[in-house]
Amino acid sequence: EDQVTQSPEALRLQEGESSSLNCSYTVSGLRGLFWYRQDPGKGPEFLFTLYSAGEEKEKERLKATLTKKESFLHITAPKPEDSATYLCAVKETSGSRLTFGEGTQLTVNP
Amino acid sequence: DGGITQSPKYLFRKEGQNVTLSCEQNLNHDAMYWYRQDPGQGLRLIYYSQIVNDFQKGDIAEGYSVSREKKESFPLTVTSAQKNPTAFYLCASSKSVPGGSTDTQYFGPGTRLTVL
Repeated sequence: EDQVTQSPEALRLQEGESSSLNCSYTVSGLRGLFWYRQDPGKGPEFLFTLYSAGEEKEKERLKATLTKKESFLHITAPKPEDSATYLCAVKETSGSRLTFGEGTQLTVNP
Repeated sequence: DGGITQSPKYLFRKEGQNVTLSCEQNLNHDAMYWYRQDPGQGLRLIYYSQIVNDFQKGDIAEGYSVSREKKESFPLTVTSAQKNPTAFYLCASSKSVPGGSTDTQYFGPGTRLTVL
């Protein structure tokens, strides 16, 4: 059974204080790992898909990396508008379903 | 503008009533999904459909039903058999790719259902 664990559950940063969120996964064969951002009361917004170990993708202050067991979402010099819950999900090679982690709630204080 | 719409945004239900949540997409996606989200928990899959007139149960299908009569629409009915239906419901869609798998899932804005 696929498993996804995100840590920490919650993270508070000061504006400009860089940090990383972790997503550990167990899957028989990885087709893709997905990062989403979710604001309160809204649907998740797609950020990145990573397909193979060593792959990296960047968007503004965010950079996602992937190894064979985990993914990191690095946030460089965050701003208050980066405050949100960040969700990680994995998809097996044979399936169309996603397995989601419980998310990391990020708060960036001005 | 292409996207996924869900209605209503808020829905209140009395115990014993069935309610239907709407999900429409104009992205020309083949696959559609329904998830449930509870506070502090990840998204849990209720039902999904990869093609018109076909759908599969997810992890928590009991007390829910769906239909897929049109490619653009995937309504979810929350029946009176669902013991604890108060939650945030999210619809998603994705393209199908060769080999039977699917591409990135994109989400609608959600419907918050409250049982009174």
